[in-house]
Amino acid sequence: GEDVEQSLFLSVREGDSSVINCTYTDSSSTYLYWYKQEPGAGLQLLTYIFSNMDMKQDQRLTVLLNKKDKHLSLRIADTQTGDSAIYFCAATPGNTPLVFGKGTRLSVIA
Amino acid sequence: EAGVTQSPTHLIKTRGQQATLRCSPISGHTSVYWYQQALGLGLQFLLWYDEGEERNRGNFPPRFSGRQFPNYSSELNVNALELEDSALYLCASSFGAQYFGPGTRLLVL
Repeated sequence: GEDVEQSLFLSVREGDSSVINCTYTDSSSTYLYWYKQEPGAGLQLLTYIFSNMDMKQDQRLTVLLNKKDKHLSLRIADTQTGDSAIYFCAATPGNTPLVFGKGTRLSVIA
Repeated sequence: EAGVTQSPTHLIKTRGQQATLRCSPISGHTSVYWYQQALGLGLQFLLWYDEGEERNRGNFPPRFSGRQFPNYSSELNVNALELEDSALYLCASSFGAQYFGPGTRLLVL
């Protein structure tokens, strides 16, 4: 089955760009997601990308997909203290249960 | 448009009791997913309902069960509660991408 891996921690300075990386194993995963979880809260869908796309940009967020290497990244431009949270990468072949990575804890230093 | 709602927000039970968690999906969404987020275990898929039927279940014992109602809302039942069932239970609704509710935090004492 699918396995999704992420680095556990990332620390950046306010105003810098953050890049969170994710790898997945199942080449049939066609929907790849990024969720944000703040302390004590549920998951907020940030963005998602289909496997037939290489890149998707939404305001400060840029998602890059390397389908050959099964590598997904989320870039947050001009990172703010409010971006401090846990970011989850998730994959699925379609309208089926998501497989999540363990989450990357982003700390933004003022 | 209202998002996914879950109730209650917090639930405290003792070992052996039963817990019932509820989820209302986004209007128009027919699929509901349940996930467990336990400390140290990450997000684990529990159950998936679509059009009133159970489509798939994760690697959880049968004491985790649920149902989906004709209005597409869903209920998760956990029988014979154990201490390790303490977790955040997240519901997501889908018509394509999955959108999550705020979760129910279950504490088993």
